[in-house]
Amino acid sequence: NAGVTQTPKFQVLKTGQSMTLQCAQDMNHEYMSWYRQDPGMGLRLIHYSVGAGITDQGEVPNGYNVSRSTTEDFPLRLLSAAPSQTSVYFCASSSSLRIAGGITDTQYFGPGTRLTVL
Amino acid sequence: AQSVTQLGSHVSVSEGALVLLRCNYSSSVPPYLFWYVQYPNQGLQLLLKYTTGATLVKGINGFEAEFKKSETSFHLTKPSAHMSDAAEYFCAVSDLYNNNDMRFGAGTRLTVKP
Repeated sequence: NAGVTQTPKFQVLKTGQSMTLQCAQDMNHEYMSWYRQDPGMGLRLIHYSVGAGITDQGEVPNGYNVSRSTTEDFPLRLLSAAPSQTSVYFCASSSSLRIAGGITDTQYFGPGTRLTVL
Repeated sequence: AQSVTQLGSHVSVSEGALVLLRCNYSSSVPPYLFWYVQYPNQGLQLLLKYTTGATLVKGINGFEAEFKKSETSFHLTKPSAHMSDAAEYFCAVSDLYNNNDMRFGAGTRLTVKP
């Protein structure tokens, strides 16, 4: 298995440009999520999905859109990039974070996309 | 919402010394607690997690953590540091009722001196 893959690894945008960060997993995981990582702030949840066709907002959703048309893919869209969106973005997946018999499952993280908005 | 606080953004230890990384959480319901490690230019990898049951949790690479409800803590320890342990460590919390929303601490960068 390739696990969680993200493309591109690096991207530079100008303010106002749009782009899509790609995320794919081949583990048939129900749960997928997007985080941004900023110095001194840890990871913050942007959006997540508990299955195809179902998405919801996390802690910092403004300026980002997501969709989940398939189990495997969970793209993150920036419609009009702003310098405040300069960050490292991580996609993660899990078979489920919901409790089933008292068990929560591990999140598997992709390698990240480093985005700079000028 | 639940949250975690990691005490110390940077910890430095000598090779062979005890590693102690501190994490305190805030949650109004029983928490689920995690420690992740991030090596340079990589994603996060789970070290260990506490959900229910035994409060002393053993993870990979010789790390362990103890859930102490009375102290709202989940500190990460390793008896003897190795050079390969140098990385950034993140504590995270979710809970039974909000377990689609995992909150991370700001991270602690561990340096291991020879």
